[in-house]
Amino acid sequence: GQNIDQPTEMTATEGAIVQINCTYQTSGFNGLFWYQQHAGEAPTFLSYNVLDGLEEKGRFSSFLSRSKGYSYLLLKELQMKDSASYLCAVMDSNYQLIWGAGTKLIIKP
Amino acid sequence: ETGVTQTPRHLVMGMTNKKSLKCEQHLGHNAMYWYKQSAKKPLELMFVYNFKEQTENNSVPSRFSPECPNSSHLFLHLHTLQPEDSALYLCASSQGDPGGKPQHFGDGTRLSIL
Repeated sequence: GQNIDQPTEMTATEGAIVQINCTYQTSGFNGLFWYQQHAGEAPTFLSYNVLDGLEEKGRFSSFLSRSKGYSYLLLKELQMKDSASYLCAVMDSNYQLIWGAGTKLIIKP
Repeated sequence: ETGVTQTPRHLVMGMTNKKSLKCEQHLGHNAMYWYKQSAKKPLELMFVYNFKEQTENNSVPSRFSPECPNSSHLFLHLHTLQPEDSALYLCASSQGDPGGKPQHFGDGTRLSIL
């Protein structure tokens, strides 16, 4: 079967750095997406990785290792507004998105 | 403003009622999706439309009936729902060529079945 694993909840301090991991087992691979979802709002696209390595976009970076079936989202200089759920999703060989259950990130002052 | 608008935002209905959820996208996309989001569970893909044609129906019960009259509008017709159908229903859209194209989501309809 297809499976995406990510931690259920993480806590970090304002101004710090946090890394949210995602491991996957899917039928084929056509890229990995990270989304942010604030409570009661739409998931919003953060990043897309299809080749191994690190993609940096401001305070957010995403890393992919296809051989290990592993990705992480790195958030730097955390702000209170970063409190949200972070969703990892893999596009399989049929171009369907397989979703993780999301990681709820709590930022403390 | 994500470019994808869903109405209503909240819906409470009895098990015998019939209601419809509406989704409209203003992004010029040609693929649209319905997802179910339950607490602490992964997003469940329900239906996919590509150029108005349904391409996926992931074993969804017949009490959920989608309709896509054009590439900008998507409906989800509901009838005789069960309490376990209470969830957040999200609509999304993307470019028809899926490779690497992110999906853009609406804010969802929070559905409660009494």
